[in-house]
Order: sequence, then C-alpha cells, then structure tokens
Amino acid sequence: GAGVSQSPRYKVTKRGQDVALRCDPISGHVSLYWYRQALGQGPEFLTYFNYEAQQDKSGLPNDRFSAERPEGSISTLTIQRTEQRDSAMYRCASSLWTGGTGELFFGEGSRLTVL
Amino acid sequence: KNEVEQSPQNLTAQEGEFITINCSYSVGISALHWLQQHPGGGIVSLFMLSSGKKKHGRLIATINIQEKHSSLHITASHPRDSAVYICAVRYGGGGGSQGNLIFGKGTKLSVKP
Repeated sequence: GAGVSQSPRYKVTKRGQDVALRCDPISGHVSLYWYRQALGQGPEFLTYFNYEAQQDKSGLPNDRFSAERPEGSISTLTIQRTEQRDSAMYRCASSLWTGGTGELFFGEGSRLTVL
Repeated sequence: KNEVEQSPQNLTAQEGEFITINCSYSVGISALHWLQQHPGGGIVSLFMLSSGKKKHGRLIATINIQEKHSSLHITASHPRDSAVYICAVRYGGGGGSQGNLIFGKGTKLSVKP
C-alpha cells in the first residue's frame, strides 16, 4: 500500500475481552514496530519485527500482550483479557531496512478504549 | 535515568523566534530520528540522522555522536510549527535489542503569533 495502514482506527471494548489490532506496513518494508501512546504521554515501545522474526518483546507490558507477523508483512497485536489501563493509542511504524538505516513511516494508529 | 532525554519539555515562542530542542541519549545508536506529532495525533518523520547535519526548509537537525547529543532547530518559527517534537533513537548496541526504538518524552512547542 501507499502508507502504513492500521485497523481498526477505533476500538471500544469491555474489560476482560480480547482485542486484535492490525498493522499493514508499506510493501517491502522489513522492520515493523509496535508502540503505544497514552493521552498526553510520549510513545512507549512495545515490540518489533524484522521480517517475520520478533526481535525484541521486552517492551510488552505483560503476558496478556502478544504480537505476530507470520509472513513478514501484516502484523497483529493481540491483547487478552483487556484492562482499563490498556486504553491508549496503539501505533505501528515500518522501515525499509533492518538496523539503523531506514526512515520510519508511521500509521495513524488504533485508539483502544477499555470500559 | 531515561535512555533518551529531551529538553525542554514545554516551549512557548513568539512567531519568528529561533527555536532549539535538545536530545541526549545514553546508549549506542545506529540512527536518531526527529519526529513531529500534531494535535490530531499523526506522526511524521522529519529527519533521520546517523552523523553530521541535515536541513530541510526551516528545520535543521544536528547530531554529535561522541557527545551523544542531537539538536533540532527551527528558524523563523511560525504558529503552524506548533506540535510535539519527539526524539527517537534506534538502538545499535548489538544483541537481541539491536534495532529497538527508544523514544524521548517529547517537547511540546507552542508558537504564538
């Protein structure tokens, strides 16, 4: 696609439900990052992939959070048994190259509200 | 101590002023990004630096690898420059964390007419 696409743009869910957020990076981009941003706060790194391999998941808050990118393209961030504190904007970004040489392109984000 | 520190946190300027936002980091990096986030929430990449200096219009970004410091300058500031400016570094320290993005907390800039 022309840019990084995320869906859904908005998700309201009840506490305890599972949610899945999708990121469709720019075609051919190797690296894909997930991060989240609470209202009025800076971005918080969650995890990232090079191709289909999850490189680092140390930013995931707890084991309710998981992410996958099975074919090295689209990625899904899953939050199980959601809690109110999970409410945030979840964003992804992609870059063409691995390592440090690729410019970042950001999606519009998925705003999650847990009631 | 955060691995990426930005200063100032908030900055108010008059239109036309020269603005500097600073970013210091404590880890080995492979690249540093300056990002702009407008009130609507979208983020755009302004610069990616691994050395030296880059200029785009009224924006200038510099990086000193030895001192682990970068600055973003805005010349002849304008109200439309009002946004949050975020410094993010791509960790280059090797091992499992190579390539991680580490974000600063952002600098909220408000330019008054």
